[in-house]
Amino acid sequence: SYELTQPPSVSVSPGQTASITCSGDILGDKYASWYQQKAGQSPVLVTYQNNRRPSGIPERFSGSNSGNTVTLTISGTQAVDEADYYCQAWDGSTVLFGGGTKLTV
Amino acid sequence: QVQLQESGPGLVKPSETLSLTCTVSGYSISSGYYWGWIRQSPGKGLEWIGRIYRSGNTYYNPSLKTRVTISVDTSKNQFSLKLSSVTAADTAVYYCARDRPLSGGYHDFDYWGQGTLVTVSS
Repeated sequence: SYELTQPPSVSVSPGQTASITCSGDILGDKYASWYQQKAGQSPVLVTYQNNRRPSGIPERFSGSNSGNTVTLTISGTQAVDEADYYCQAWDGSTVLFGGGTKLTV
Repeated sequence: QVQLQESGPGLVKPSETLSLTCTVSGYSISSGYYWGWIRQSPGKGLEWIGRIYRSGNTYYNPSLKTRVTISVDTSKNQFSLKLSSVTAADTAVYYCARDRPLSGGYHDFDYWGQGTLVTVSS
């Protein structure tokens, strides 16, 4: 079965750029999404189809992919962006989630 | 605005069946999309449980398939989860979500319920 691997934690200073990676063999030819989950809240979709952004999500959130790795980039990171972030993909029959990355601002 | 709300017992005894219902408002299940369940054990990551289409077609996580049943009631705009033979390992926050299929055989979740904690304990 496929797996998605994320770093457990990432730290960034306010105003700087945060990059969170997600690696997995399935990502070479499959789209990925990213979710933000703040403490005690439900996940929120922040990017989909690798690099598209739902309405209402700030432009500082962007996604990209290269080979078997997708990356969530937060430009000009703000304190409100402190949260857990999860990548997600679909392998044709099963939804996969990464283990999550705690972003500390 | 699409809204989802989970409901059901917050405490289930070991070996019994966990039953939850998700009520959807602001969108008719009969209109399309898939509808899914995801859970999150305390302090852990997200785990997909399964999905259902308005027709009743279901897709389950292979690791849970033998214990999971998802059903839909379009007349009530609800879908439900049953998980049998539960153990302490099934203690988690259970979320329902709208499962959105997009081009390229891809799915994501664009609307989520607030989640409900289910504890398995005697």
